[in-house]
Amino acid sequence: GQQLNQSPQSMFIQEGEDVSMNCTSSSIFNTWLWYKQDPGEGPVLLIALYKAGELTSNGRLTAQFGITRKDSFLNISASIPSDVGIYFCAGSNYGGSQGNLIFGKGTKLSVKP
Amino acid sequence: EAQVTQNPRYLITVTGKKLTVTCSQNMNHEYMSWYRQDPGLGLRQIYYSMNVEVTDKGDVPEGYKVSRKEKRNFPLILESPSPNQTSLYFCASRSRGLGQYFGPGTRLTVL
Repeated sequence: GQQLNQSPQSMFIQEGEDVSMNCTSSSIFNTWLWYKQDPGEGPVLLIALYKAGELTSNGRLTAQFGITRKDSFLNISASIPSDVGIYFCAGSNYGGSQGNLIFGKGTKLSVKP
Repeated sequence: EAQVTQNPRYLITVTGKKLTVTCSQNMNHEYMSWYRQDPGLGLRQIYYSMNVEVTDKGDVPEGYKVSRKEKRNFPLILESPSPNQTSLYFCASRSRGLGQYFGPGTRLTVL
């Protein structure tokens, strides 16, 4: 089946630094999503991307849908301690008969004050 | 408040004892899904439903059943739980073309 490779697996950074993580796929998607999961909570949607080449921001977060439709990246600028958590990418081919979402294995972010 | 609710949040049971985890959403979403989350494996889809009475297998459906008799509810049924089904389970819902919203999770332990 389809698989997503998310990297890095974990990051340990200093407060104020910028963060970059990415996801690549062996097949194309028409939707890319980025989620954050805090300990003991369900994943929360951060950014949704629906068009190849699309660049979308949400506060200090910026994500892009790769033009090949096989990759996406998420940047966090000027990290703060509450950015700590696990970030997941997810891809889907919404529409048609498919309703399923494929997740990457996550990037665990730790921020040192 | 728009939300996805799951019950119970925590459950410890024994092998073979049937159980149901309920999921309900109040956003009138067509799509609902169940995932399990395990260390090192991330989130894996168990079953999904594109509307009432329409369900399909995800990546890891073995040992699970679902039903979608009403739009708002999507229960997950374990007819004969086994220890390898010990996991953190999430229900999620979405409307067509939009990102999924997740419930708070159900931590299941099967002894």
